[in-house]
Amino acid sequence: DTEVTQTPKHLVMGMTNKKSLKCEQHMGHRAMYWYKQKAKKPPELMFVYSYEKLSINESVPSRFSPECPNSSLLNLHLHALQPEDSALYLCASSQELGMGNQPQHFGDGTRLSIL
Amino acid sequence: KQEVTQIPAALSVPEGENLVLNCSFTDSAIYNLQWFRQDPGKGLTSLLLIQSSQREQTSGRLNASLDKSSGRSTLYIAASQPGDSATYLCAVRGSSNTGKLIFGQGTTLQVKP
Repeated sequence: DTEVTQTPKHLVMGMTNKKSLKCEQHMGHRAMYWYKQKAKKPPELMFVYSYEKLSINESVPSRFSPECPNSSLLNLHLHALQPEDSALYLCASSQELGMGNQPQHFGDGTRLSIL
Repeated sequence: KQEVTQIPAALSVPEGENLVLNCSFTDSAIYNLQWFRQDPGKGLTSLLLIQSSQREQTSGRLNASLDKSSGRSTLYIAASQPGDSATYLCAVRGSSNTGKLIFGQGTTLQVKP
């Protein structure tokens, strides 16, 4: 069992749909991350939140919209996605951005398929 | 631009063997290096984190070393078991402020009974 919980585990959506991915952690971590992982490839960073504020956006298209409503929750809102956006979306958390001696903890991901 | 390379891409060994996975990075100015395990269809499990000032870290049958000056890290797995079969990823963090991890492509390990 992971300490970072992601829902749903699987999501199939059409290109015109709007959906959201959710991530929750109760470890008191103040840094949270979204990564995208294509098949047979390593994860790539999308967004970083620190103390509920967006710290990094890795030039991600606006059809992906992150939100951090509180210190335990991280959402990724999806709208008008493209077939190439099909991937495993991973959420991670760590104690604080500045604490480099603390590992990032990952959830099991949401496998997203765009029809 | 930091690049992380893992060799070999795949490895198959009989149960009980000791093995070494390799990770190299092009920019030695790293903050830390983290080894992960990923099972098929699952997320990443953190195995070991080595800070730039450290030379090695150990956890059970796992030992990770870091030679920052040469841009290399190794993950040593002792007495391998079928349950060790997974993809192993190394990731470097270049700055304390961003939290951004740069991952290698991974080594897929199969341990045969």
